[in-house]
Parts: sequence; structure tokens; C-alpha cells
Amino acid sequence: IQLTQSPSSLSASVGDRVTITCRASQGISSYLAWYQQEPGKAPKLLIYDASTLQSGVPSRFSGSGSGTDFTLTISSLQPEDFATYYCQQLNSYPLTFGQGTRLEIK
Amino acid sequence: QVQLVESGGGVVQPGRSLRLSCAASGFTFSSYGMHWVRQAPGKGLEWVAVISYDGSSKAYADSVKGRFTISRDNSKNTLDLQMNSLRAEDTAVFYCAKESSVTGTRDGMDVWGQGTTVTVSS
Repeated sequence: IQLTQSPSSLSASVGDRVTITCRASQGISSYLAWYQQEPGKAPKLLIYDASTLQSGVPSRFSGSGSGTDFTLTISSLQPEDFATYYCQQLNSYPLTFGQGTRLEIK
Repeated sequence: QVQLVESGGGVVQPGRSLRLSCAASGFTFSSYGMHWVRQAPGKGLEWVAVISYDGSSKAYADSVKGRFTISRDNSKNTLDLQMNSLRAEDTAVFYCAKESSVTGTRDGMDVWGQGTTVTVSS
């Protein structure tokens, strides 16, 4: 299953609302997770089951979608949110990740 | 605290073998499926392999099938990845990761190690 994220990169300012999309090549129900990765660090789980916030993740992060189309929204960007974001499908093996969306400071 | 620590990375010639290990602590290792995920320099994340909580079930990415073998020792709380016939394109940081839920893979991976670097070069 291929995952296509858009955009590949995004410039935004602190306080902005941003949305990243992830499209699956076939239906994956709600078995989608989102991760945040800062340079030189391991990925961090943000959301699973398409819309469930991982414990400890700020509520400004939210996810939605099912089937083939999914979104990650950050309601009000904070300085620590500038990183790369990946979606991952967990519906079937082999598991796959999107190509990533790099979120940069404008 | 919950922790995963990878080891075993290094520089290896094409065609040779390398074995990675991941030491787990702070949680009931034998209750969770475990994964290996890699990231080539400057590239995105690539899922590599998974092993079920008891080692009875495994799955691999097509790019490593037949060359890599995932295994675990629940008595030692360790996860391994035996990598044979290494290629230049296997150069990457390798992460081990824990499944979030005891019920299986579908809730994502909530704990990751710091990664170990594998460089395949002559």
C-alpha cells in the first residue's frame, strides 16, 4: 500500500494552523498513525487509529479520516513543532510510511 | 523508564553480514510485538520487519526478505536483526520500536530506540 503525503514541504509561522494530508493507494480503514521526527532524533508517535491522540501529545494536534484520505492538523503552531511528519499505514504488511512532510519556519 | 537501546551497527563491506541488537527495559517485553525501521541518509522512514510478542509470527519488507532475519529472546529482553548479503542501499540508521498495544500492530509504535548506524561500503 502506497502512502502519498502532501505537501512535501511547508513553510508556516508560529500560531498558524496547518494541515498535512496522507492518501493511501487502497482503503486502510482507520489504521493510520502519524509521527513527528526532529533532526537526528527518533520518530515520536503523535496519533494512532487515524484520530486518537497518543498520551502526552498536546491537544493542538488532531487527526481525521478513514478509508484512503487522512489529515493531520496542528491548530496553532509552536516553535517545537517545526519538524518532519510521517504517516504510516498499519492495515497490512508490509507496513509503509509516507514520504514525509517537512514543516519549516517562515 | 521504558527504554530501547540498539547496538551492533558499523561499517561493513558489501556482501558481508552484520547483527543488530536491541535491549529493552522498563516494560513487559514478552507482551509486545517489536519492529525494525530504518532511515537512509537524508531519506524517509522505511519499515523493515516485525516479530510477534512470542516470536511465532514474522513479516519483512520486500527489500530485505530472504536476507534479513528478525528474532527475539524474551528471557533476555532482547530483539535482534541478522542482516546477510548486505548492499550499499542498506546503509541507514536502524531503529527498533515497540508496538503501542498488546493487541497488535494497529496502534502504531510508541517507543523507539536512539538508532544504530549501518554503513555498507567497500
